[in-house]
Amino acid sequence: GAVVSQHPSRVICKSGTSVKIECRSLDFQATTMFWYRQFPKQSLMLMATSNEGSKATYEQGVEKDKFLINHASLTLSTLTVTSAHPEDSSFYICSARGWMVETQYFGPGTRLLVL
Amino acid sequence: GENVEQHPSTLSVQEGDSAVIKCTYSDSASNYFPWYKQELGKRPQLIIDIRSNVGEKKDQRIAVTLNKTAKHFSLHITETQPEDSAVYFCAALSGYSTLTFGKGTMLLVSP
Repeated sequence: GAVVSQHPSRVICKSGTSVKIECRSLDFQATTMFWYRQFPKQSLMLMATSNEGSKATYEQGVEKDKFLINHASLTLSTLTVTSAHPEDSSFYICSARGWMVETQYFGPGTRLLVL
Repeated sequence: GENVEQHPSTLSVQEGDSAVIKCTYSDSASNYFPWYKQELGKRPQLIIDIRSNVGEKKDQRIAVTLNKTAKHFSLHITETQPEDSAVYFCAALSGYSTLTFGKGTMLLVSP
């Protein structure tokens, strides 16, 4: 299957700081990327969908000014958690999909801990 | 929108037994149904998928069946092994929109 990388794998930051997470498709062009948040023992919660070169579409209840998403190229999308607070601590996972393809491939996830 | 129900939430089997996980979906327009396996702290990995023009698909010990009329699909794992222990998610997709995931099934295979 296709390969998606994500960095960093884990990050610890102080409350009030911003954290940027990168998601890269390594061997295919990802026209669409997705950002999920996952709480322990729960399913994947879609935060937003981004298409290359367009503004992201956020799910209801997700603050777009807090979770900034950029999908500037066909291989890279970034999620920036601005002014992070302890309640933002979670496992963030990206996934990517090619043009006119249904299959989504997931990155390894980023564990964020905000102190 | 689409709603995917997944059962059971936990499943314990003995090594060598079969395991079956069932999902139902609500949107009759859904036409793609992947299954993901997620080990603790790891990424969800696609293990098998099926499209609506097919009723069954097999890959070694794993099979998926789809009943479009009843709007349900199932994952079958035969000859289970301890390394099959993980959380399994079903999902449904209509066109090229967003995947809707089930809540997951924690499968525990005891030696």
